[in-house]
Amino acid sequence: QSVLTQPPSVSGTPGQRVTISCSGSSSNIGSHNVYWYQQLPGTAPKVLIYRNDQRPSGVPDRFSGSKSGTSASLAISGLRSEDEADYYCAAWDDRLRGPVFGGGTKVTVL
Amino acid sequence: EVQLVQSGSEVQKPGESLKISCRCSGYSFTTYWIAWVRQMPGRGLEWMGIIYPSDSDTRYNSSFEGQVTISVDKSVSTAYLQWNSLKASDTATYYCLRVMSLGAGWFDPWGQGTLVTVSS
Repeated sequence: QSVLTQPPSVSGTPGQRVTISCSGSSSNIGSHNVYWYQQLPGTAPKVLIYRNDQRPSGVPDRFSGSKSGTSASLAISGLRSEDEADYYCAAWDDRLRGPVFGGGTKVTVL
Repeated sequence: EVQLVQSGSEVQKPGESLKISCRCSGYSFTTYWIAWVRQMPGRGLEWMGIIYPSDSDTRYNSSFEGQVTISVDKSVSTAYLQWNSLKASDTATYYCLRVMSLGAGWFDPWGQGTLVTVSS
């Protein structure tokens, strides 16, 4: 059972917009920034969004992040086949004194 | 270019000991914390612990304390994750990560992962 809650899967057709939610509590998302990671099949995760809504250089602007209260979300617009991956949210947790992750969301492009 | 390069896959028997490594390059090794994360087959990510190479200050997730040991060798810019007695439930891929900011869930980059298989 992960500390942060994500839907196990979301799907969409090419060109569609999908969103992934990440729900936490006051000790993590409510107090700290949220980070999103993309894990392509058979590879290590890489940072997609940092500090809630910032994109590292090289990440397409089709990916966007937001945070409100104790929840956050990742949106992928203009869905492409290469976006098929697992996506994880993460935040620091004051109660556990360490980072916590969501359980991951598998994005499928139909 | 910042790189974290991990040691190769391992197949071990229950009860055996193991030490895997994470060689860091492209930045000042002693100025960033290093974290280890476990990913069991088909499962999500779990933080195991972090270490500050400058003084070896180490903090463990309570779920992993006493089960593993995290260490560094500053002379070769390498972090380690060690088990004294492996269990079948330790079968997983282990990632080392550079911690961009303590107190944040910001890790960049990640090592390529080391698959550890524990089977009799």
